[in-house]
Amino acid sequence: DSGVTQTPKHLITATGQRVTLRCSPRSGDLSVYWYQQSLDQGLQFLIQYYNGEERAKGNILERFSAQQFPDLHSELNLSSLELGDSALYFCASSVVGNTIYFGEGSWLTVV
Amino acid sequence: AQSVTQPDIHITVSEGASLELRCNYSYGATPYLFWYVQSPGQGLQLLLKYFSGDTLVQGIKGFEAEFKRSQSSFNLRKPSVHWSDAAEYFCAVGAGGGSQGNLIFGKGTKLSVKP
Repeated sequence: DSGVTQTPKHLITATGQRVTLRCSPRSGDLSVYWYQQSLDQGLQFLIQYYNGEERAKGNILERFSAQQFPDLHSELNLSSLELGDSALYFCASSVVGNTIYFGEGSWLTVV
Repeated sequence: AQSVTQPDIHITVSEGASLELRCNYSYGATPYLFWYVQSPGQGLQLLLKYFSGDTLVQGIKGFEAEFKRSQSSFNLRKPSVHWSDAAEYFCAVGAGGGSQGNLIFGKGTKLSVKP
């Protein structure tokens, strides 16, 4: 158990819909990262937040957004969903400059 | 642009045999390099990492990796594979300067272990 908690574990939704994935980082970790793992793209870094502020951005689509709240939990919002958004979404957290720890992921299936 | 290549998509080894998983990277500066393992239905677990210093790095579960700058490689090795090592292995390079979180991953190598 990495200490990073992600909910929901599985989610099935229809095209065009919007979903929110939630992540609780390890206690004390100020940085949160979101990754997408899909069959065709592999593992891709989406975005990083540090203590509530966006720190780095990767291959995140404009339809996707994230935020980190004062209690340090983070949410990844995915809107106007397409079939190709079906993937495993990972959250990870770390103390700045240290090893990151991944959660078990949220499986999203878009039908 | 930074990139990571894992040339082997799938490797099968016999239990007790040695293992080497290949990883090549492309990065302009001194890279931060990582190996992660993903078991079915699980998250990613860090096996080991290289930042600087000794080019032979020891990790968890008996794994080691060697950084070879001249070959732009960071191959993962284990002298004797156990059935529980069957999983997918990912090599990654840190893309954000000192950040260990903004990682570029290879496509992964799936390891199967024969009894």
